Amino acid sequence: GNSVTQMEGPVTLSEEAFLTINCTYTATGYPSLFWYVQYPGEGLQLLLKATKADDKGSNKGFEATYRKETTSFHLEKGSVQVSDSAVYFCALRDFGAGSYQLTFGKGTKLSVIP
Amino acid sequence: DADVTQTPRNRITKTGKRIMLECSQTKGHDRMYWYRQDPGLGLRLIYYSFDVKDINKGEISDGYSVSRQAQAKFSLSLESAIPNQTALYFCATSDLRGGAETQYFGPGTRLLVL
Repeated sequence: GNSVTQMEGPVTLSEEAFLTINCTYTATGYPSLFWYVQYPGEGLQLLLKATKADDKGSNKGFEATYRKETTSFHLEKGSVQVSDSAVYFCALRDFGAGSYQLTFGKGTKLSVIP
Repeated sequence: DADVTQTPRNRITKTGKRIMLECSQTKGHDRMYWYRQDPGLGLRLIYYSFDVKDINKGEISDGYSVSRQAQAKFSLSLESAIPNQTALYFCATSDLRGGAETQYFGPGTRLLVL
């Protein structure tokens, strides 16, 4: 079956530090990959996505590259801000396996301190 | 105005009670979903619907039922609530534009079953 594994949090960084949140996946077909962000008290919002190998998704200074050879989709940002404090979820959608479900990782909580 | 709304935002109920959580959307999407979020477990799919006449069980449908009253409305019922259904519940909608299905989440309903 499909699965998503994220690095466990919480992650605490100082403002302007470099961020990496690791995400690896297992899929039986040809997945699309997503990062969602959940700010305190809110629902999930799509942060970025990639639909095929070597695609790079980017948004708000965040980037992630779909690496088929390592089955990874790590989230990076060069300089985090306090406003980036949130929970980040990696997810996949495996169209090739006929699945209509999003499979989520367990989430990684990021806290950025001034 | 929010595109995906959920009511109530918070609910406390007792074991054995029947409750309904409601979701409405103004995005015009055909596909709607119900998830629950538990600390450390990410999001898990309860039910999903691809149109008014289509209802499908997700990963954890036991103890829940749904109704798709219209394209814009998708409600989740707990017929006889139990304490381990205490969780944060999210409704989501999706479309297929852009080559990868993107899900849009409501703000969530926090449910406590005593």
